[in-house]
Amino acid sequence: DQQVKQNSPSLSVQEGRISILNCDYTNSMFDYFLWYKKYPAEGPTFLISISSIKDKNEDGRFTVFLNKSAKHLSLHIVPSQPGDSAVYFCAAISSGSARQLTFGSGTQLTVLP
Amino acid sequence: NAGVTQTPKFRVLKTGQSMTLLCAQDMNHEYMYWYRQDPGMGLRLIHYSVGEGTTAKGEVPDGYNVSRLKKQNFLLGLESAAPSQTSVYFCASSYGTGVTGELFFGEGSRLTVL
Repeated sequence: DQQVKQNSPSLSVQEGRISILNCDYTNSMFDYFLWYKKYPAEGPTFLISISSIKDKNEDGRFTVFLNKSAKHLSLHIVPSQPGDSAVYFCAAISSGSARQLTFGSGTQLTVLP
Repeated sequence: NAGVTQTPKFRVLKTGQSMTLLCAQDMNHEYMYWYRQDPGMGLRLIHYSVGEGTTAKGEVPDGYNVSRLKKQNFLLGLESAAPSQTSVYFCASSYGTGVTGELFFGEGSRLTVL
């Protein structure tokens, strides 16, 4: 039973438009959420995170929104650039779990020039 | 900066053979992890370590063993490889304090078991 779900395996967006990647979770003990970005033949790299006490965190073109009541978070990329084409993983962590991140299955984002 | 380094990058094994994946980090991190990535499954935690000399099981530990004899190294062993262990393996490390959960990953090791 996947506790973190990314239901869209892929997403294509035109350059300059907004990319919205979605993630749902089932474990109410999760209190910190992260997004990782992965290029082919490379390891995932940290992108942005949000604590459960917030509902929004912004870093440049990247914004993560958290809706605790719906157990849903989303990553917005505005404007999207071809270099953003990668697999994006949503991850969640609960306090006291020795930082065991639970990852979603990933969404392949393709930004078309 | 080297960060997290995994060796080897690629390996092909026959069923029943054994091998060890080596992970080395130069960031003086306390926590280290081994994940496997399979299509449609995301990254799943195999084993992890919260400090030198300690190891613990993750979500999918069966068929693997680990050792953390030195703080900078975390070894993942397969004693008798099976085709189900064909995967891409990622090592990661993180700071030992705080709750941000940010991991630093290696580039991955692709293992094929025939």
